[in-house]
Amino acid sequence: GQQLNQSPQSMFIQEGEDVSMNCTSSSIFNTWLWYKQDPGEGPVLLIALYKAGELTSNGRLTAQFGITRKDSFLNISASIPSDVGIYFCAGHYGGSQGNLIFGKGTKLSVKP
Amino acid sequence: GAGVSQSPRYKVAKRGRDVALRCDSISGHVTLYWYRQTLGQGSEVLTYSQSDAQRDKSGRPSGRFSAERPERSVSTLKIQRTEQGDSAVYLCASSLTAQSSYEQYFGPGTRLTVT
Repeated sequence: GQQLNQSPQSMFIQEGEDVSMNCTSSSIFNTWLWYKQDPGEGPVLLIALYKAGELTSNGRLTAQFGITRKDSFLNISASIPSDVGIYFCAGHYGGSQGNLIFGKGTKLSVKP
Repeated sequence: GAGVSQSPRYKVAKRGRDVALRCDSISGHVTLYWYRQTLGQGSEVLTYSQSDAQRDKSGRPSGRFSAERPERSVSTLKIQRTEQGDSAVYLCASSLTAQSSYEQYFGPGTRLTVT
């Protein structure tokens, strides 16, 4: 099935650093979403974006819905240890196409 | 309130056997989804149901996957004749309405290992 191109695949963070990740698609989406998944748990919704160009914040997280509707980015400012986990972008076509299309995830780990 | 729950959390099955995975969605949610999550392929939808007690047949990946909804807030994913490639985490998700299907709430997943 179709998937989104999410990058980077993994990154190491040091406490206090800003983090950025993005997703691109060949298709236009009506909605972009960002999820975080901790080990042994399901994805938890962080931010949902509904309009092209929309910029939305949730605490230290900021995400944008690209103007072309084919991309989105997520920024995490001043990272803390509990930010570690896997972040997934997801797109939704809207209408009767109910399922989400997921990126393969960006794994955040703490710098050794 | 209670979120989406799944059982069992871990399942080991011998190749060729059938398995059934259960999902209890959030009360009042209409649409239920099943996704398969693997390290290599990420997460992909297997099947979803937008009404009560409906059996959905999915063509993914080979028709061995089907879902039943014996109750409004319960879904059972059935995998027939399991193969080693079926080893994955199976995630269930639900949304309040079909119109709000972009807002999905996920369960913790069932990790299936086929030996």
